[in-house]
Amino acid sequence: QVQLQQWGAGLLKPSETLSLTCGVYGGALSGYNWSWIRQPPGKGLEWIGEIHHSGKTNYNPSLKSRVTMSVDTSKNQFSLNLTSVTAADTAVYYCARPVAYMSGNIYVPDSWGQGNLVTVSS
Amino acid sequence: QSVLTQPPSVSGTPGQRVTISCSGSSSNIGNNFVYWFQQLPGAAPKIIIYRDNQRPPGVPDRFSGSKSGTSASLAISGLRSDDEADYYCAAWDDSLRRLFGGGTRVTVL
Repeated sequence: QVQLQQWGAGLLKPSETLSLTCGVYGGALSGYNWSWIRQPPGKGLEWIGEIHHSGKTNYNPSLKSRVTMSVDTSKNQFSLNLTSVTAADTAVYYCARPVAYMSGNIYVPDSWGQGNLVTVSS
Repeated sequence: QSVLTQPPSVSGTPGQRVTISCSGSSSNIGNNFVYWFQQLPGAAPKIIIYRDNQRPPGVPDRFSGSKSGTSASLAISGLRSDDEADYYCAAWDDSLRRLFGGGTRVTVL
């Protein structure tokens, strides 16, 4: 089963750039779309966007102007950059493959990183 | 405010059956699969229903999903204390956005 491990800075000042990276272990990046999802403290889930292993991206329109995602297939990892952060960007950020399906008789589960709390404060 | 609408909370006593609704539109629930996620306190979400009504291996059959038109529901029967969690519905939109409901907290009284 694929495992995701994510890392990046946890404390930012307003106007700085949030950068997170997610490593994919026990499986390949190829053939899937990989998402970033965030959750403000005490609130619900918000999809930030996704990237295919080919590099094709699909962003949430509400964040599109500030978001860049990239993929490094040689390292089996993908990354998120979010520019010009404000306090409203304070959240737990998850990398994920938030889909599940049957491949023949084998169930392929969703995979999530452990989550990173990113706090934006002056 | 989420495009997919869920009640903020539902509660029930042990053994009871509760349902969580998820209301959308023809461009999301009406035309795409619905997924249900369970998020236990302090943990990442996890799919408990995929493709409208499919239950992953290991998920108790007390959990069931259904869809009709532009609405979906998650039912939990035989409610247990360890079912206390936040539950989110999710669906793709035809505009290729991934949508989440606002989440429903299930409390076992």
